[in-house]
Amino acid sequence: EVQLMQSGGGLVQPGESLRLSCVASGFTFRKSWMSWVRQAPGKEPEWVANIKEDGSEKYYADSVKGRFTISKDNAKNSLYLEMNRLRGEDSAVYYCAKDGDGYPYWGQGTLVTVSS
Amino acid sequence: EIVMTQSPATLSVSPGDRVTLSCRASQSVNTKLAWYQQKPGQAPRLLIQSASTRATGVPVRFSGSGSGTEFTLTISGLQSEDLAVYYCQQYNHWKTFGQGTKVEIK
Repeated sequence: EVQLMQSGGGLVQPGESLRLSCVASGFTFRKSWMSWVRQAPGKEPEWVANIKEDGSEKYYADSVKGRFTISKDNAKNSLYLEMNRLRGEDSAVYYCAKDGDGYPYWGQGTLVTVSS
Repeated sequence: EIVMTQSPATLSVSPGDRVTLSCRASQSVNTKLAWYQQKPGQAPRLLIQSASTRATGVPVRFSGSGSGTEFTLTISGLQSEDLAVYYCQQYNHWKTFGQGTKVEIK
């Protein structure tokens, strides 16, 4: 059974940092592209970043480029999202997801709230 | 960026109805189109990929069609557990979602 277990998230002030984690099981993580997707309340999901199987290629949405960093530790079956200089508009539920034709598997989501 | 537009925004239905949801892309995405179902407090669930292929475990009452810029998700014989928000997503060029169609009880 495929599982993506997320941790991290919480309430932070504008300008602060946060790190999200996602531990994968049930599939060959080292052979998988992975993504972070976020969803603000009442809005559609939005792709944030993705990373190639071996971590050699990373891509970001324009809205987070230069502030967020995606990384992958294949030895630990783990995906990370380092979020710096957070803004109010970054408030959302963040999901890790396995890439494919669409996103066949999603984590349970973790809430990030940026507010003073 | 490829913009995905879904219609209608809300659909009021009765159990047993045949339901049709539409999704239009601002430029061709070939058949690189997925449909998701999302219930409150849950992650989206993949229903359809490649425009018409049901994902693993998805009931046969869900079907997808279309190519290029026009796509349709059909639910044949709506059941109460199908009440949810449905999103389309293109993955031909990066990945973008439509704004969703909420299926609610009439």
